[in-house]
Amino acid sequence: ETGVTQTPRHLVMGMTNKKSLKCEQHLGHNAMYWYKQSAKKPLELMFVYNFKEQTENNSVPSRFSPECPNSSHLFLHLHTLQPEDSALYLCASSQDSGRGASGANVLTFGAGSRLTVL
Amino acid sequence: DQQVKQNSPSLSVQEGRISILNCDYTNSMFDYFLWYKKYPAEGPTFLISISSIKDKNEDGRFTVFLNKSAKHLSLHIVPSQPGDSAVYFCAASANNYGQNFVFGPGTRLSVLP
Repeated sequence: ETGVTQTPRHLVMGMTNKKSLKCEQHLGHNAMYWYKQSAKKPLELMFVYNFKEQTENNSVPSRFSPECPNSSHLFLHLHTLQPEDSALYLCASSQDSGRGASGANVLTFGAGSRLTVL
Repeated sequence: DQQVKQNSPSLSVQEGRISILNCDYTNSMFDYFLWYKKYPAEGPTFLISISSIKDKNEDGRFTVFLNKSAKHLSLHIVPSQPGDSAVYFCAASANNYGQNFVFGPGTRLSVLP
């Protein structure tokens, strides 16, 4: 396995369910991200982890709960979601945590998990 | 209010011709810009970037132009190939944004054979 792998690729859940999205990167990167892409909207940053520590929470509702047990794995735990949470959830990783002298860090994305909340 | 705009949701170009994808931004603090390409059922992949200290960056068939005064950048693909058909996202970042890349809504490019 190479790159960034996300599972499941598709998920349908009811509003009272609890489910989790999983992301794994095999690139040796130190930073991992969750992005949300709703229909006809730009990608929105949700969370950032550097070396397993959360460094950004972009005002995400508490019904989304991230977990980063190590630099290679990232989870997004979902509970009591709303239908408007239906979207494509993209995981990404990057080499470094900061911008550095070379400028912004290039993100490597997974294929995404398409979530439908009924 | 969107800080990064891609006003053309879609674009069709004949194979062999030039494709020009446009992106406008509102935040003058943005100093680094990236283009990503996304095929269906795949995640976005990095294509090319440009720092605000430059006005042009070229990589093979892909060239990005930056006009800071107009807060505008464009991606030129020449010659366009059918395999270039994808959604193209413009993204921007700033020193005071930490690791937050602000993405545009994307432009769907169709290259017709």
